[in-house]
Amino acid sequence: ETGVTQTPRHLVMGMTNKKSLKCEQHLGHNAMYWYKQSAKKPLELMFVYSLEERVENNSVPSRFSPECPNSSHLFLHLHTLQPEDSALYLCASSQAYKSSGGHLRNEQFFGPGTRLTVL
Amino acid sequence: LAKTTQPISMDSYEGQEVNITCSHNNIATNDYITWYQQFPSQGPRFIIQGYKTKVTNEVASLFIPADRKSSTLSLPRVSLSDTAVYYCLVGDNGYGQNFVFGPGTRLSVLP
Repeated sequence: ETGVTQTPRHLVMGMTNKKSLKCEQHLGHNAMYWYKQSAKKPLELMFVYSLEERVENNSVPSRFSPECPNSSHLFLHLHTLQPEDSALYLCASSQAYKSSGGHLRNEQFFGPGTRLTVL
Repeated sequence: LAKTTQPISMDSYEGQEVNITCSHNNIATNDYITWYQQFPSQGPRFIIQGYKTKVTNEVASLFIPADRKSSTLSLPRVSLSDTAVYYCLVGDNGYGQNFVFGPGTRLSVLP
């Protein structure tokens, strides 16, 4: 257990459906992330939220809509997805801190992921 | 963004020490080096992070030469459960936006 939970763990949806992925972190972190991992491809960073404000949006299609209502919860709203959007969607959280050497340290803790299949 | 290069795959046997080297020729002054481990259908798990010289924790060691253009993750006495993909990342430790995951190294530990 990493302290980051994701629901549902598996989701099958049609291209016309609307669904949401939920992520919750119990670590008191101040930053949360959405990643996409397609088969045989590296993880792709989708969105970053810091202190509940979006600080990164890596040219993700508008059919993916993130929401961060508070520092512990992160949602990814899905609508009119395409079959190529089928992938493992991972949530992560982190809390940047200064090490004893004065450098900024940042470890991301990942949830188990949601396996999404778009039919 | 500092690009990293790692071997695509490695094989080892139980009980051996495994060293995975990552090249990052364009690493910036503020960049840290971080390694993650990922099992199938799970999220990556943080292993170790360092800036220079050597860092050791309960699961691994990280060796970083003076020029910081490469780093080596060392896993002592691997077991079958260490079979996973290992990712090397470099970034300035902001809020993760500069952390780019490459294809990683698929380590297979054989009995």
